Amino acid sequence: DAGVIQSPRHEVTEMGQEVTLRCKPISGHNSLFWYRQTMMRGLELLIYFNNNVPIDDSGMPEDRFSAKMPNASFSTLKIQPSEPRDSAVYFCASSMRRGGRTEAFFGQGTRLTVV
Amino acid sequence: DQQVKQNSPSLSVQEGRISILNCDYTNSMFDYFLWYKKYPAEGPTFLISISSIKDKNEDGRFTVFLNKSAKHLSLHIVPSQPGDSAVYFCAASQTQGGSEKLVFGKGTKLTVNP
Repeated sequence: DAGVIQSPRHEVTEMGQEVTLRCKPISGHNSLFWYRQTMMRGLELLIYFNNNVPIDDSGMPEDRFSAKMPNASFSTLKIQPSEPRDSAVYFCASSMRRGGRTEAFFGQGTRLTVV
Repeated sequence: DQQVKQNSPSLSVQEGRISILNCDYTNSMFDYFLWYKKYPAEGPTFLISISSIKDKNEDGRFTVFLNKSAKHLSLHIVPSQPGDSAVYFCAASQTQGGSEKLVFGKGTKLTVNP
């Protein structure tokens, strides 16, 4: 398996524009996580899905952020409108329960810069 | 509110010596703990884990210790090697409705000097 695939790797956009980040989890994994990494807050959990259903979105910063998982092989994180403070590296991770506990596998991340 | 805390943003050690990275957590519902390693421009990769029913887990040069009463865990790397230089994230897992919520600390940047 190619692992968790995120696109794009880098995104530069102007303030106010819509940004969509994409993630393809590892085939067979049933949990998907979106994280944001910043110097101040480290790896911050934004939202996670189990079997394509959002379980906990309490980490989503505000209504400008939304995430979907229309099927088991694809998820998006959308920011509309984007702001400079959204600049960060966004990671997607997936996992599968195995023997009771799991480890999550991460994609390489999308570096978002909002100017 | 940071449920998983890594209070040391950085740590520097000499090659061959022991590296000790610390992590504290506040949520007593966490029952599985993991350490991840991250190199620049890459995603974090799983390193080692421990269940709350254990107090120690060892894998080669890496050992994780868990003190439940103190809500504290630590990662020991011995001997440390220059290739271990990376950011190390502590993570804690809590089961929610059949799925698992995985929460990370801010990370500790380890530098191993030759």
